[in-house]
Formats: sequence, C-alpha cells, structure tokens
Amino acid sequence: AQSVTQPDIHITVSEGASLELRCNYSYGATPYLFWYVQSPGQGLQLLLKYFSGDTLVQGIKGFEAEFKRSQSSFNLRKPSVHWSDAAEYFCAVGAPGGYQKVTFGTGTKLQVIP
Amino acid sequence: DGGITQSPKYLFRKEGQNVTLSCEQNLNHDAMYWYRQDPGQGLRLIYYSQIVNDFQKGDIAEGYSVSREKKESFPLTVTSAQKNPTAFYLCASSPQYQETQYFGPGTRLLVL
Repeated sequence: AQSVTQPDIHITVSEGASLELRCNYSYGATPYLFWYVQSPGQGLQLLLKYFSGDTLVQGIKGFEAEFKRSQSSFNLRKPSVHWSDAAEYFCAVGAPGGYQKVTFGTGTKLQVIP
Repeated sequence: DGGITQSPKYLFRKEGQNVTLSCEQNLNHDAMYWYRQDPGQGLRLIYYSQIVNDFQKGDIAEGYSVSREKKESFPLTVTSAQKNPTAFYLCASSPQYQETQYFGPGTRLLVL
C-alpha cells in the first residue's frame, strides 16, 4: 500500500516570503498526487494534482508543485505568500488503476505573519 | 452551481443515540466517500461507495453505517457502538472511484 509523509506539522512564514511545503510518498510506480487546502472548520479544496506528463504542475491561487521521482517527493511551492494563505495543507497519494484508496498525509499548518 | 452539501453543520449526540449525517452531491459523480478528521491525524476513511447500491468499509468502519440508494446521496449513521464519535466528518465524491475527490464543507459532531 502507498503512504505519504508531511514532515512539517507547523510552518510560519512572513507575508511576501516564499513557501515550500514538503511531501514524500512511498509507492512502487508513478502515483497520483494531490495537494488540498483546508481553512478552519471548512472542507478540503483541491489546489492541484499530478497524474502524468509535465512534472511541474500549476494550481489555483498561485501554487505549484513539482513531482520528483528520484526523491519520491511532491513539494508545494508559492513564490510570495499572502495572509489569506494561512490554512492547513494536505498532500495525498493514490494508485493508478483504482485498486487502492487515496491516502492523505497528516497535514501542515501554515501560519502567515505580517 | 454543482457541489457537495453536508448537513447539519453541527450535530450533538446523546449517549446511546444514533445520529445521521447527510451528504448530497449534484456533480453526477459515481463514487462517494466518508472521512473522519481528528486533530493531527489527517483524514481516515470510514466508508466508500463506487456505485449506487454498493459500498465498502474503509479503515475505521466500526460503529458507523451507510447506505447508497441514490446516486446523489450517501448518508452516514454514527451508531451508539461508536464510543468516541466527537470529530469533524467530511464527505467527498469523485467522477469514478479513486479519481480526484471533491469535498463538502463538513459536519462537526459533538457528544453531550
């Protein structure tokens, strides 16, 4: 079964600074990869996804992520963080073919300071 | 607008009581899911349904039950057998099983 690790439980960045949230996965082949964002008391919103093709994926709200097979990583980046980006971010991994469930990481909570 | 609705937003359960959480989608998705979210634990899958009239247990199904009589609806019942039901419950759907999931706004269940 696949697994996903988000090593950072909590990250604090200054508004306007760049951001990188880490995500590492374990899977024997190329997985499906997702990033979601969750504001307090809300559901999850899809930021971006990777299924195949170009390893640099653009998402909504100015986010991007890069699939690196050699590092088993799918890190989320944003060049300049806004105060409204404060939220919890979840990485998820799925297996092509639909035989295994999508597995979610434990999340990284982002705090943005002025 | 297409989307997923969950109701109620807050739900209170008394000891020994069964409660039902509603999930409705108008996205014409075949697959639907229920997750439980506790602080620091990410999302844990309770039940999922790939098509109407079919559903499967997830990782933490004990104390929960579901039905899928209509494509649009996937209600979750938290039974009295679930001894620690306090959590945030999220419903999701996807066009087909294991494709991109889209989430509802969630229901917070509290025990009186």
